Amino acid sequence: EIVLTQSPTTTAASPGEKVTITCLASSSVSNMYWYQQKSGASPKLLIYSTSSLASGVPDRFSGSGSGTSYSLTINTMEAEDAATYYCQQWSSNPRTFGGGTKLELK
Amino acid sequence: EVKLQQSGDELVRPGASVKMSCKASGYTFTDYAMHWVKQSPGQGLEWIGTIIPLIDTTSYNQKFKGKATLTADKSSNTAYMELSRLTSEDSAVYYCARYDNWGQGVMVTVSS
Repeated sequence: EIVLTQSPTTTAASPGEKVTITCLASSSVSNMYWYQQKSGASPKLLIYSTSSLASGVPDRFSGSGSGTSYSLTINTMEAEDAATYYCQQWSSNPRTFGGGTKLELK
Repeated sequence: EVKLQQSGDELVRPGASVKMSCKASGYTFTDYAMHWVKQSPGQGLEWIGTIIPLIDTTSYNQKFKGKATLTADKSSNTAYMELSRLTSEDSAVYYCARYDNWGQGVMVTVSS
């Protein structure tokens, strides 16, 4: 099983600040998906295939990485971005998620 | 608009089974795999398994083999998941999902 380790576990950012969340895989994966989950809501796809922006997602979000190291970047933090973020790999079974990164507004 | 409409929340007794549904609309049901994900209270996300409706093929997380059974009805564009021999560890929210759209979730509470 490929274990995905996200860091940081919790972080806070001020409006306009840049935020980067990292996802490290225990083995190489071909690409990464990123989801945003707000309290009481279903996860929402942000990034697919490592760096492609999902439909309707603001372009302040971006993804990058390869092999065992991937990241999600929010270029300029906005209040509505306060949420928990998960990475997920679809390369091998079982498909696994990272433990999540809680992003709070400072 | 793609929509995955899940059935309602469930309160079930320990040892019982529960079957939940996920009705897809806004796209061709057989064009996409359907995934099921568990989220325990205050916890992260766990992949349960996937069904490919076009060919009725399933794959499961080993952890959920014997616990979850995935099926799909192409005639009604609906995917199902049955959970058996429920315990308190199964109390959670269960989501169906395409890779890009998720249902609203079903909260299953196992309690006597």
